Amino acid sequence: NAGVTQTPKFRVLKTGQSMTLLCAQDMNHEYMYWYRQDPGMGLRLIHYSVGEGTTAKGEVPDGYNVSRLKKQNFLLGLESAAPSQTSVYFCASSQRESKDTQYFGPGTRLTVL
Amino acid sequence: AQSVAQPEDQVNVAEGNPLTVKCTYSVSGNPYLFWYVQYPNRGLQFLLKYITGDNLVKGSYGFEAEFNKSQTSFHLKKPSALVSDSALYFCATNAGNNRKLIWGLGTSLAVNP
Repeated sequence: NAGVTQTPKFRVLKTGQSMTLLCAQDMNHEYMYWYRQDPGMGLRLIHYSVGEGTTAKGEVPDGYNVSRLKKQNFLLGLESAAPSQTSVYFCASSQRESKDTQYFGPGTRLTVL
Repeated sequence: AQSVAQPEDQVNVAEGNPLTVKCTYSVSGNPYLFWYVQYPNRGLQFLLKYITGDNLVKGSYGFEAEFNKSQTSFHLKKPSALVSDSALYFCATNAGNNRKLIWGLGTSLAVNP
């Protein structure tokens, strides 16, 4: 049982390049989330999904797109990367109930030059 | 609006001494409250949660937290700190059917040998 995994662990992009971050979970969780973590700003929710085929915007969705084509995968895309998107990105998943624990992946450290 | 506050950016404690990391909340309805820990260069790990019932909640690694409704607090405690407890600690909340967690900004705990 691997839990939540994220690919890649590190990435350096040039401004304007695109990339996709992959999150996978093997716990059969309904809900999945993408966060970014920046110094002094805590965790901010980018997008989330309450089930296969559905996505919703979080606090800071601009510049990002997501897809949840399969229940176990949640993809985060940057179409045209900007230096302001330099951050550490975390994926998380949880079961259906709002009181359920969120389980986090190890993170992706992204630098945009 | 729902929120949590962690009033201390950093807490320093000597190994073997008790530690407290503070969290206060502002939510409508019955709060679900969580503590997570983040070790350097790792994802967040769940420590404990309060849903209902006993105000003293016991969690992983010897941590516990006390829910205080009159003071709207949910402070994290440990009777005897270890150097290995040094990490970033996050308090979070949601309420009702909201699937999104509201996060504090984190408190950096340093346990000195």
